[in-house]
Amino acid sequence: EAGVVQSPRYKIIEKKQPVAFWCNPISGHNTLYWYRQNLGQGPELLIRYENEEAVDDSQLPKDRFSAERLKGVDSTLKIQPAELGDSAVYLCASSLGPFSYVDEQFFGPGTRLTVL
Amino acid sequence: QKEVEQNSGPLSVPEGAIASLNCTYSDRVSQSFFWYRQYSGKSPELIMSIYSNGDKEDGRFTAQLNKASQYVSLLIRDSQPSDSATYLCAVEGGNQFYFGTGTSLTVIP
Repeated sequence: EAGVVQSPRYKIIEKKQPVAFWCNPISGHNTLYWYRQNLGQGPELLIRYENEEAVDDSQLPKDRFSAERLKGVDSTLKIQPAELGDSAVYLCASSLGPFSYVDEQFFGPGTRLTVL
Repeated sequence: QKEVEQNSGPLSVPEGAIASLNCTYSDRVSQSFFWYRQYSGKSPELIMSIYSNGDKEDGRFTAQLNKASQYVSLLIRDSQPSDSATYLCAVEGGNQFYFGTGTSLTVIP
């Protein structure tokens, strides 16, 4: 069974440019998470989806970040415009649901973003 | 105050020894507790979950939970060099979910 797929794996952009990350969760997993992980830190939850509904986006910087999960499967996380402080690894994870955090989360390989 | 606190380490133990990793949390409504392992440059993977007070054993790993003290720990017996990684404590409660900053473990052959 394929795991969580993310693309691109690496992205280098200049500040003020837009960037988008894509995630395909494990088949059948209803819950999808986007995390940001800075070097030496634990992952920080940005947004959680139950199917196509964003049920927790309290940590998402809504002035520049947006996300969508059309049809409750794939998801895209966008930053526009990017700032230097956005350099981090962006992780996507999925779980069966609907009990969310009680379920094991399976992580994708992440996208390493560098903003110059 | 951080919701989940861990000693960042690094923690070094000789091969075959017991490694003890600790985590404290601030939210008393927390119900579910997890230990994830993250190798350098890789993504986190779940190794243990625990929901009730006491010990839970899985192979060489034992998770210990004390809700009164708001404390959860992970013991790794017979540590192996392949256990060298960062161990992340994660806590769920009140529909919130937080990771700690992780403890770096090095097992010396």
